[in-house]
Amino acid sequence: EPEVTQTPSHQVTQMGQEVILHCVPISNHLYFYWYRQILGQKVEFLVSFYNNEISEKSEIFDDQFSVERPDGSNFTLKIRSTKLEDSAMYFCASSVGPRETQYFGPGTRLLVL
Amino acid sequence: KNEVEQSPQNLTAQEGEFITINCSYSVGISALHWLQQHPGGGIVSLFMLSSGKKKHGRLIATINIQEKHSSLHITASHPRDSAVYICAVARGSTLGRLYFGRGTQLTVWP
Repeated sequence: EPEVTQTPSHQVTQMGQEVILHCVPISNHLYFYWYRQILGQKVEFLVSFYNNEISEKSEIFDDQFSVERPDGSNFTLKIRSTKLEDSAMYFCASSVGPRETQYFGPGTRLLVL
Repeated sequence: KNEVEQSPQNLTAQEGEFITINCSYSVGISALHWLQQHPGGGIVSLFMLSSGKKKHGRLIATINIQEKHSSLHITASHPRDSAVYICAVARGSTLGRLYFGRGTQLTVWP
């Protein structure tokens, strides 16, 4: 069964460093999402992406964040200068359409020291 | 103010019991999702519904659009059902973005 994959599973970085989180969505899906979950809190939407453009972003997704689909399979989230409060589990998801079931990747646990 | 409220926050049951988890929302929606989050953190989609009722195995999800309320039922609960169950809504005014509840931690004892 097709699945969304994410790498790395864990990442530890120093405050101020750049990190790139990688996702491979399901191949025939057209909509891609990033969510995050700070430990002990609810899941929060960051950004959605369609047709090589951001279709929606939340107030969390400020200038420190960017997304890219560098080739036909990968979907990346970049955090330019990490802060302590960026420590969270980051989930990638994909769907066939904007109002269809979203399939989540296993997550990348980011720890900023 | 959270657009999505779940209850209870924690739920403990004995194996075989019938489980109900509730979700209320305060905004207009295009769909409501029930998700399961495993202890390791992974999230699995259980249901997406915009009206009526859906059933998959021992899981049943219902939604009442007029009352802005949904329930997730688990019949004949089993220890492997222990997980966090999350309600999330897609608002009618947005495309794809999900708004999440805080989740219900379910523990089923043998």
